[in-house]
Amino acid sequence: KQEVTQIPAALSVPEGENLVLNCSFTDSAIYNLQWFRQDPGKGLTSLLLIQSSQREQTSGRLNASLDKSSGRSTLYIAASQPGDSATYLCAVSPIYNQGGKLIFGQGTELSVKP
Amino acid sequence: DGGITQSPKYLFRKEGQNVTLSCEQNLNHDAMYWYRQDPGQGLRLIYYSQIVNDFQKGDIAEGYSVSREKKESFPLTVTSAQKNPTAFYLCASSAGQGATEAFFGQGTRLTVV
Repeated sequence: KQEVTQIPAALSVPEGENLVLNCSFTDSAIYNLQWFRQDPGKGLTSLLLIQSSQREQTSGRLNASLDKSSGRSTLYIAASQPGDSATYLCAVSPIYNQGGKLIFGQGTELSVKP
Repeated sequence: DGGITQSPKYLFRKEGQNVTLSCEQNLNHDAMYWYRQDPGQGLRLIYYSQIVNDFQKGDIAEGYSVSREKKESFPLTVTSAQKNPTAFYLCASSAGQGATEAFFGQGTRLTVV
């Protein structure tokens, strides 16, 4: 059974710091891994999608890596800003799954202090 | 703007009442999903549909029902059989199963009063 774990559960950093969020999964048979951002009381915003054949994806100050063999992904945020404060979720799309179902981690709640 | 629209944003349900959550997408996606989000439990799949007039149960389908009469619409009904319906409900869509990106709506918060 695929399980996704995110560490740490919460993180507080001063503005300007570079930071790394971690995501691990137990079964490497995945189509892709997706990182999302969720603001309080809001829906999920897709940040980055990494296909299983890719090693990393970049968008602005965000860089996500994928090591499928070790079951790990990281989301690197450069020069963090207070506006980056949110919960970050990773999710995998298992190859043997129900029609595109995503398996989610519990999320990392990030707070960037001015 | 292309996207997924969920309504209402907030919904209150009395005991024994059925309520319906709306989800509409204009992304021309074939697949649509309903997830439930509870504090400390992450997102769990309720129902999904890969094509019009077809849908399958997810991990926690008991007490819920759906329909998929149009490609753009995937409403979720929370029935009186759902004993603990208070949660945040999220609708998502993707172009198809597997290697495609999923997009989410802004959610509906359902509270039992």
